[in-house]
Amino acid sequence: ETGVTQTPRHLVMGMTNKKSLKCEQHLGHNAMYWYKQSAKKPLELMFVYNFKEQTENNSVPSRFSPECPNSSHLFLHLHTLQPEDSALYLCASSQTGTSALDEQFFGPGTRLTVL
Amino acid sequence: DAKTTQPNSMESNEEEPVHLPCNHSTISGTDYIHWYRQLPSQGPEYVIHGLTSNVNNRMASLAIAEDRKSSTLILHRATLRDAAVYYCILRPLTSGTYKYIFGTGTRLKVLA
Repeated sequence: ETGVTQTPRHLVMGMTNKKSLKCEQHLGHNAMYWYKQSAKKPLELMFVYNFKEQTENNSVPSRFSPECPNSSHLFLHLHTLQPEDSALYLCASSQTGTSALDEQFFGPGTRLTVL
Repeated sequence: DAKTTQPNSMESNEEEPVHLPCNHSTISGTDYIHWYRQLPSQGPEYVIHGLTSNVNNRMASLAIAEDRKSSTLILHRATLRDAAVYYCILRPLTSGTYKYIFGTGTRLKVLA
């Protein structure tokens, strides 16, 4: 138990569906992250939020839309996804996001399958 | 961003020490060396980090070369639970840098 929870753990959706992934951290951290992990590929950073403000968008397609209503919650809204978007989506948090000494705490991930 | 190079996979026998190497020849003077591992069906978890001196914690030891162009994560007695993908990451000590750049890591297999 890392203090970062993600729901749902598994999601199957069609290309025309709209769904959302939820992440919650109980650690009092100020920075939250979305990563994508495709099969046989390194983790790719997608978005970073620091004190609820988006500070990093790593050239992510607009069919992925993040939302950070407060420092404890992070959402990833999905719409009109493609089969190649099937992957493990990981949420992480850290104390500040800017310190090299920050440790990132990861959730267990949401396994997304796009049909 | 400075890059790290790790072997794709390694094997170890249970109860024996494991030395996981990482090359980072383009490391800058203010880059911290972080290690994370990802157990099957889980997100990555922090293992250890260091700058210049060797570091020890309850999980592992980190040995850093004098020129800092390489480092080694040492698991003193591997257990089956240590089977995971181990990532060596450089983290710049500069304000406003949020990125952790994960490579493909080393998949450690522990044999009973």
